Amino acid sequence: DIVLTQSPALAVSLGQRATISCRASQSVSISRYNLMHWYQQKPGQQPKLLIYRASNLASGIPARFSGSGSGTDFTLTINPVQADDIATYYCQQSRESMYTFGAGTKLELK
Amino acid sequence: QVQLKESGPGLVQPSETLSLTCTVSGFSLTSYSVSWVRQPSGKGPEWMGRMWYDGDTAYNSALKSRLSISRDTSKNQVFLKMNSLQTDDTGTYYCTRDLTHNPFDYWGQGVMVTVSS
Repeated sequence: DIVLTQSPALAVSLGQRATISCRASQSVSISRYNLMHWYQQKPGQQPKLLIYRASNLASGIPARFSGSGSGTDFTLTINPVQADDIATYYCQQSRESMYTFGAGTKLELK
Repeated sequence: QVQLKESGPGLVQPSETLSLTCTVSGFSLTSYSVSWVRQPSGKGPEWMGRMWYDGDTAYNSALKSRLSISRDTSKNQVFLKMNSLQTDDTGTYYCTRDLTHNPFDYWGQGVMVTVSS
């Protein structure tokens, strides 16, 4: 199984940049496709797709969200952070048919 | 529009079997796969298994011995059955639309399942 490692929490000030990382135990890239995706989850809600295939913004997601990375190291950036962005963020890989998620990074206000 | 909705009991006795139904609309089960994902409270999601668009199935190796996924395409429904439930199976269970090597783009609202006597 591919294990995805995320830092548990990140404290940020409103209006600043937040950088959330996800490291995979093995490459999640196939050819030019980086099969890492990012979700936002707020309490009591289902996860919401933000970024697919490492760097593509999902429909309706604000441009302050962006993603980058390849191979085993990926980053979700929120710039600038707004109050509505306080949530938990999960990475997820679809390189193998047994998809796996990270444990999540909780974005908190400083 | 694409929708998925989970249904099933909210409370299951330990050692009993969990049965959930996912009813979909806005897409065909013969064109898209459907996965079940569960999430214990305060923890990350866990992929449980998949009903492939062609009728085949795939399971998380950690759950394979207890899990069964089936479907009824005429009713646009996918079913999950998991036996020998224990308290650590408590959590929210979601069904999601699943296209190979792609993210879960649509999720149901989830159903909270508590395993308790």
